[in-house]
Amino acid sequence: AQSVAQPEDQVNVAEGNPLTVKCTYSVSGNPYLFWYVQYPNRGLQFLLKYITGDNLVKGSYGFEAEFNKSQTSFHLKKPSALVSDSALYFCAVMVNTNAGKSTFGDGTTLTVKP
Amino acid sequence: NAGVTQTPKFRVLKTGQSMTLLCAQDMNHEYMYWYRQDPGMGLRLIHYSVGEGTTAKGEVPDGYNVSRLKKQNFLLGLESAAPSQTSVYFCASSSQGWNSPLHFGNGTRLTVT
Repeated sequence: AQSVAQPEDQVNVAEGNPLTVKCTYSVSGNPYLFWYVQYPNRGLQFLLKYITGDNLVKGSYGFEAEFNKSQTSFHLKKPSALVSDSALYFCAVMVNTNAGKSTFGDGTTLTVKP
Repeated sequence: NAGVTQTPKFRVLKTGQSMTLLCAQDMNHEYMYWYRQDPGMGLRLIHYSVGEGTTAKGEVPDGYNVSRLKKQNFLLGLESAAPSQTSVYFCASSSQGWNSPLHFGNGTRLTVT
């Protein structure tokens, strides 16, 4: 079985400050990890993924994430937050033996205040 | 390029009624998925398809049926709607399954009274 935990329901940061949205996972086998963002009344949009290779992956809109195998974590980061980054963020995990079925965390609401 | 299109966007049903949600993708993707999103529960997989003519059960399949008669379409049916099926339903597709990101539609908000 595979699972994802996003321990914070809500993250608040001031504009211009760095942000971190946390994600930990549990899988049997090698994980493939994804971050998605959801704006109100829209579907999820892909931000970035880790499949293999460099532990630091860069994605859309200046976001990056670091894969840490020993801590089974894949935290989303951005050096300088924008008000427009305010949205709902989902971490997802899959393994290569399950037909691409992704398991999602419960989501973290990011609010960036001016 | 429309991507993934879901119809309808909103629907209100009475308990016991039936309906079909349509998902269409124009990216020639093999894999398609139906998820439901409920507050504080993330997304849960209902059914999925790894290619035309195939379907399989996901995490929460009870009360739903699906069909994938054409590669570009994936239909989700509710035969006898229940209030517990009030949710937002998302269709998604991917090109290769395990190493490909999901492309989502904008969802169908369903209320069952």
